[in-house]
Amino acid sequence: LAKTTQPISMDSYEGQEVNITCSHNNIATNDYITWYQQFPSQGPRFIIQGYKTKVTNEVASLFIPADRKSSTLSLPRVSLSDTAVYYCLVGVGTNAGKSTFGDGTTLTVKP
Amino acid sequence: EPEVTQTPSHQVTQMGQEVILRCVPISNHLYFYWYRQILGQKVEFLVSFYNNEISEKSEIFDDQFSVERPDGSNFTLKIRSTKLEDSAMYFCASSEVRLAGNTGELFFGEGSRLTVL
Repeated sequence: LAKTTQPISMDSYEGQEVNITCSHNNIATNDYITWYQQFPSQGPRFIIQGYKTKVTNEVASLFIPADRKSSTLSLPRVSLSDTAVYYCLVGVGTNAGKSTFGDGTTLTVKP
Repeated sequence: EPEVTQTPSHQVTQMGQEVILRCVPISNHLYFYWYRQILGQKVEFLVSFYNNEISEKSEIFDDQFSVERPDGSNFTLKIRSTKLEDSAMYFCASSEVRLAGNTGELFFGEGSRLTVL
């Protein structure tokens, strides 16, 4: 299972775009990249998933370069409610869940 | 939207007591997981379960732990003799199993907070 590395923390202000990068140098050919959000005392929640290039949904975008050794989660116009821990996981199928989440990135959005 | 539900939301127990945490995965999901998160720490994988048997477990999941799918809907985690260090949030998750294109998205419950005194 590919190990992931993310910044421990980031600060932002309301209305700004936030980009969180995750390194996964040992990503396997079939692996997908999935990002989760976790609020205190709640379970992680799926945000977005991708395999290559760019994926966009109603809450975020995910940018994956051609070598797939990193990925960037982009949150447009963050609000105070986006303050949370963000995790990236790498894997495929049932292997995707068989790993301890990394340290994650604690995003703090300030008014 | 379908969701994973967990009970109890909070359990307080005495050291040495047995605890059973319950989970109802999403109905068409066949792969189940338990994780734990000690306060302020990472979400740690404990065990995965498929086709009525454990498919993988971490080194945390020792003989004190067991999992079971007693019926068609529940998925339980049992801790036989709780220790102080078992105090944590325990999360259940489920995912689909598809023959192809199985990307492994996990759906988590809200967790059960276990406090061992």
